[in-house]
Amino acid sequence: EVQLVESGGGLVQPGGSLRLSCAASGFTFRSYSMNWLRQAPGKGLEWISYIDVPGSSIFYADSVKGRFTISRDNDKNSLYLEMNNMRDEDTAVYYCSRGYNSGSFDSWGQGVLVSVSS
Amino acid sequence: DIQMTQSPSSVSASIGDRVTISCRASQTVSKSLNWYQQRPGRAPSLLIYATSYLQNGVPSRFSGTGSGTDFTLTINGLQSDDFATYYCQQSYSIPRTFGQGTRVDIK
Repeated sequence: EVQLVESGGGLVQPGGSLRLSCAASGFTFRSYSMNWLRQAPGKGLEWISYIDVPGSSIFYADSVKGRFTISRDNDKNSLYLEMNNMRDEDTAVYYCSRGYNSGSFDSWGQGVLVSVSS
Repeated sequence: DIQMTQSPSSVSASIGDRVTISCRASQTVSKSLNWYQQRPGRAPSLLIYATSYLQNGVPSRFSGTGSGTDFTLTINGLQSDDFATYYCQQSYSIPRTFGQGTRVDIK
């Protein structure tokens, strides 16, 4: 069974930093691209970052470009999101998700809450 | 960026009803259109990818059609499990973008 488990969320002050992790199991992690998405409270879904299998092709949404960094460790079956210079509007539940056919997201973690507030 | 617009924003329906949700892209996405279901407090789950392909385990009452800029998700014979919010998502270009969601609730 595919499992994705996010961790590392919490409360951070504006301008602060946080690192999210996503532990993958139940599939060959090094064979799949991965993504981070988020959902602000009561709002819709927002894709924020993509990383390919070797970690050489990376994309970001404009809303996080220059502040967030996606990375992966295929030996540890783990995906990461380093978040710096955080803003109030980064408050959301963050999901890691596996890339699938036709650019869809077929497996999602349970999500981790990140709150940015002073 | 490609803007995705869903209609309606919400729909009230009864068990057994047929429900259709529309999704329009601001420019062509060819067939690169996916649909997700999200129940309250849960992560989204993939229903349909590439416009019309049912994800493994998704009931056949769900179907998707369309191409270019106009797409439809249809639920034939609404069941209690189907009361949720549905999102379309384009995978034609980066950034990947979602519609604002359509909430299906009980009439």
